[in-house]
Amino acid sequence: AQSVTQPDIHITVSEGASLELRCNYSYGATPYLFWYVQSPGQGLQLLLKYFSGDTLVQGIKGFEAEFKRSQSSFNLRKPSVHWSDAAEYFCAVAPPGGSQGNLIFGKGTKLSVKP
Amino acid sequence: KAGVTQTPRYLIKTRGQQVTLSCSPISGHRSVSWYQQTPGQGLQFLFEYFSETQRNKGNFPGRFSGRQFSNSRSEMNVSTLELGDSALYLCASRRDGLITGELFFGEGSRLTVL
Repeated sequence: AQSVTQPDIHITVSEGASLELRCNYSYGATPYLFWYVQSPGQGLQLLLKYFSGDTLVQGIKGFEAEFKRSQSSFNLRKPSVHWSDAAEYFCAVAPPGGSQGNLIFGKGTKLSVKP
Repeated sequence: KAGVTQTPRYLIKTRGQQVTLSCSPISGHRSVSWYQQTPGQGLQFLFEYFSETQRNKGNFPGRFSGRQFSNSRSEMNVSTLELGDSALYLCASRRDGLITGELFFGEGSRLTVL
């Protein structure tokens, strides 16, 4: 069965430090990959997505993610974290070429930022 | 442009009751999806509607149902509420039904079942 694993439930980083959030997926073929962010009391917002092509994708708010087929991973990175980045981050997958809107989400990683 | 609007934002029900949640998608969006978010299970797909037709359904019991109207607004209903139905219910819309289209989420309806 398809699944998404985010190994880190909670991460704390200092403001200005770099960030990497891990995401591994289990899928028969390379799925479409997404990262979403959820601030407290808010819905989810799309940070970036990967469908094909260049394995390094740029997103909003200075985030980027790298797709590594050999490791079935799609890790999210940011070179310098800001206090406003404190939120919960979700990795998600969808079947390639799918025409349906459902995503399979990981359990999320909560990011705390120390001043 | 207005975002996805969900009502009510918060509600409290007791076991055995039923509840109806409403979602107004972004203007021009024809696809609406519903997700349940709980601390234990995370985000789980409930169903997706496109042009008033249910296109896909997640692994939830028949107590969970939904519909979409001609103006793309959607409702979901949960009957015979159980304690485990306490969750944040998120609605999301996209312009069409393609997975390549960006999904826009509402802020959710937080249901507490006592």
